[in-house]
Amino acid sequence: AQSVTQLDSQVPVFEEAPVELRCNYSSSVSVYLFWYVQYPNQGLQLLLKYLSGSTLVKGINGFEAEFNKSQTSFHLRKPSVHISDTAEYFCAVKEVAGSYQLTFGKGTKLSVIP
Amino acid sequence: NAGVTQTPKFRVLKTGQSMTLLCAQDMNHEYMYWYRQDPGMGLRLIHYSVGEGTTAKGEVPDGYNVSRLKKQNFLLGLESAAPSQTSVYFCASSPYRRTSGRAGADTQYFGPGTRLTVL
Repeated sequence: AQSVTQLDSQVPVFEEAPVELRCNYSSSVSVYLFWYVQYPNQGLQLLLKYLSGSTLVKGINGFEAEFNKSQTSFHLRKPSVHISDTAEYFCAVKEVAGSYQLTFGKGTKLSVIP
Repeated sequence: NAGVTQTPKFRVLKTGQSMTLLCAQDMNHEYMYWYRQDPGMGLRLIHYSVGEGTTAKGEVPDGYNVSRLKKQNFLLGLESAAPSQTSVYFCASSPYRRTSGRAGADTQYFGPGTRLTVL
């Protein structure tokens, strides 16, 4: 079975500063990887996903993530954050050949400070 | 195109009461899911369905039942609510891989959530 660890539960960062949200996963088989964002009092929205190919994945709102198979990581980055990026971010993993179940990390709350 | 909708948005129950949460999607997706979200726990899968008339247990199914009588609807039932079921419930759907292709498959689309409090 797969698992996901988001290493930071809360990340405060000043506006226009860069940010990295860390995600490590554990699985014995090939996986797909996802980042979802949840704005306050809303459902989850897909930010980006890695299925195959280039290990650098670009998503919406200027976010990108890099898949590192040897380190089993899928860290999310943005070079310059805005107040509107304040939200909770979830990393998720799914086995390529498995069922349609996603396994989520516990989330990282990003707080952008003006 | 409303996407995934959930009814109701908020509900307060007393211990022992029953209720049904309704999820509807208008994207013709084959797969539907129910999750619960608790502080510091992320999202945990309760039940899911891979097609009309089929359901399966997820990570935390105890105390819940589901039904998928129509492709577009997925119902989550609590027969005898307990305070431990106080949570935010999210429904999601995803397309059938063979028809949507790899680019579209495996992406889950979420509803806005139902906040349930059991007293």
